[in-house]
Amino acid sequence: DVKVTQSSRYLVKRTGEKVFLECVQDMDHENMFWYRQDPGLGLRLIYFSYDVKMKEKGDIPEGYSVSREKKERFSLILESASTNQTSMYLCASSLPGLAGGWTDTQYFGPGTRLTVL
Amino acid sequence: QQPVQSPQAVILREGEDAVINCSSSKALYSVHWYRQKHGEAPVFLMILLKGGEQKGHDKISASFNEKKQQSSLYLTASQLSYSGTYFCGTEFAGNMLTFGGGTRLMVKP
Repeated sequence: DVKVTQSSRYLVKRTGEKVFLECVQDMDHENMFWYRQDPGLGLRLIYFSYDVKMKEKGDIPEGYSVSREKKERFSLILESASTNQTSMYLCASSLPGLAGGWTDTQYFGPGTRLTVL
Repeated sequence: QQPVQSPQAVILREGEDAVINCSSSKALYSVHWYRQKHGEAPVFLMILLKGGEQKGHDKISASFNEKKQQSSLYLTASQLSYSGTYFCGTEFAGNMLTFGGGTRLMVKP
């Protein structure tokens, strides 16, 4: 079974702190993703990576950065956390897409619920 | 550009059918469907590709109308286990998958 793990299920931080969210996958997938999930807004893509040290901005990258030094690990960094970054953060991984698309089946981690006070 | 899902929410009795729609304003390369149960991670249901290829569960059916740039997910003879939020994701040329806002489905006994 594909396994995607995230470093914390719940995290509470203070405004202005630097926050690291870690994600590890064990299926040798090329693609890794960070999403943010808020009620009524669905899953919004923050960043994705299609290879080690390669990254692309998603739909809402402002206030976030990412790092992928090893294939299995993808980190999301909040340089200076703000209260509007309080949310559920989901990591996912996948193989490249079928017949030339970007992504095949995405496997999601359990999520990290981040609260910024 | 986020696809639009409809309805936003639906309540069914066990055994009833439902259709969830997903529309895009752009020509689509593929449509992906996921289900998320409360407190859990989203789980893959199906991928539909331009040209007719599909990948997914045998018990789930969906359609992809390339001309109308929309997809529909068909849930027949619903079971309690079908409850959750359904997300469609759309991919168009050169752009990564973008998910819609979700459709909340509740199946009651």
